[in-house]
Amino acid sequence: KNQVEQSPQSLIILEGKNCTLQCNYTVSPFSNLRWYKQDTGRGPVSLTIMTFSENTKSNGRYTATLDADTKQSSLHITASQLSDSASYICVVSAGTGNQFYFGTGTSLTVIP
Amino acid sequence: GAGVSQTPSNKVTEKGKYVELRCDPISGHTALYWYRQSLGQGPEFLIYFQGTGAADDSGLPNDRFFAVRPEGSVSTLKIQRTERGDSAVYLCASSLNVGVYNEQFFGPGTRLTVL
Repeated sequence: KNQVEQSPQSLIILEGKNCTLQCNYTVSPFSNLRWYKQDTGRGPVSLTIMTFSENTKSNGRYTATLDADTKQSSLHITASQLSDSASYICVVSAGTGNQFYFGTGTSLTVIP
Repeated sequence: GAGVSQTPSNKVTEKGKYVELRCDPISGHTALYWYRQSLGQGPEFLIYFQGTGAADDSGLPNDRFFAVRPEGSVSTLKIQRTERGDSAVYLCASSLNVGVYNEQFFGPGTRLTVL
């Protein structure tokens, strides 16, 4: 069964600290993996997209890693800011790239 | 427009009523997707259009749900005989459907509340 699991479910960190969010998947055949940020009441916004051959990709203070062998990905946030408070969703696409499997997200709260 | 737009932003209806939710994709995007998101959950796939045709409607929960995209641009998600369990945020996304990344761009969603 194609599934995407994320951990932790929620996380609270102090402003300025780093954090890492995890994503494990069983989707096959793998096409690509992306991380989205979803602010409350808004649609998801893409942070990074990685294909099978890419094992790391950065977007500012966000760095995603992908281990296609173990089917794991992580999203590392450096020097967190209050505006990083949001839900972070891991999405894996399969086949020709139009089948998308979403994780349930990690709710991140950055406090001053 | 500059991004994906959805109307209305909020819709409150009574159980048993019919509702239509509209999605305006980014101009030129051939692929359009509908998702449903319940509180605290990730989006759940409903249907995917390539052009005017539904390429994959396997996510539609039952025959009360139907979607159209008659001219390959604007799409309407239609829900008949609404039930309280249909309450959720309905998200629309579009993409160019080219390249290995095929990045999706999401709209702000329509929050549907069935009383």
